[in-house]
Amino acid sequence: EAGVTQFPSHSVIEKGQTVTLRCDPISGHDNLYWYRRVMGKEIKFLLHFVKESKQDESGMPNNRFLAERTGGTYSTLKVQPAELEDSGVYFCASSDWTSTDTQYFGPGTRLTVL
Amino acid sequence: QKEVEQNSGPLSVPEGAIASLNCTYSDRVSQSFFWYRQYSGKSPELIMSIYSNGDKEDGRFTAQLNKASQYVSLLIRDSQPSDSATYLCAVNEVAFQKLVFGTGTRLLVSP
Repeated sequence: EAGVTQFPSHSVIEKGQTVTLRCDPISGHDNLYWYRRVMGKEIKFLLHFVKESKQDESGMPNNRFLAERTGGTYSTLKVQPAELEDSGVYFCASSDWTSTDTQYFGPGTRLTVL
Repeated sequence: QKEVEQNSGPLSVPEGAIASLNCTYSDRVSQSFFWYRQYSGKSPELIMSIYSNGDKEDGRFTAQLNKASQYVSLLIRDSQPSDSATYLCAVNEVAFQKLVFGTGTRLLVSP
């Protein structure tokens, strides 16, 4: 069974540009989460989808961030316009509705904003 | 005060020793507790979950939870150099909801 995949693995952009990150969860997982780790800090929650609906977006830093999950499969996270403080590693995780609420993480996208 | 606190380390132990990793959390309503292992540049990998007070053992790993003290720990017996990684403590209030992470403890196991 394929794990959570993310694309791209690395992205280097200039301040003011737009970047779109993609996450493909484990097949059949209704829950999809985005997290971010800024250098030297802990991994922080951004938002949670249940299928195509946003269950919790309390961690989204501002309206420059837009997450979508059309059709309830893969998800995209767009940053527009990017700022220097958006640099970090963006992780996606997914889980299903079994009794153990294990979240499986993808390898992350390292975003560098210059 | 951080919600989940861990000593950043590095914690250095010799091969074959017991490594003890600690974590405290501030939210008393936290229900689920997780230990993730993360190798450099890789994704966090779940190694233990614990939901009730006491000990939970899985192979060389033992998780310990004390809700009254808001404390969770991970013991790694017979530590191996391949155990060298960053260990992340995470908690959530409600199942299937967001995880709150600590900054992680870096473990170094020397041959």
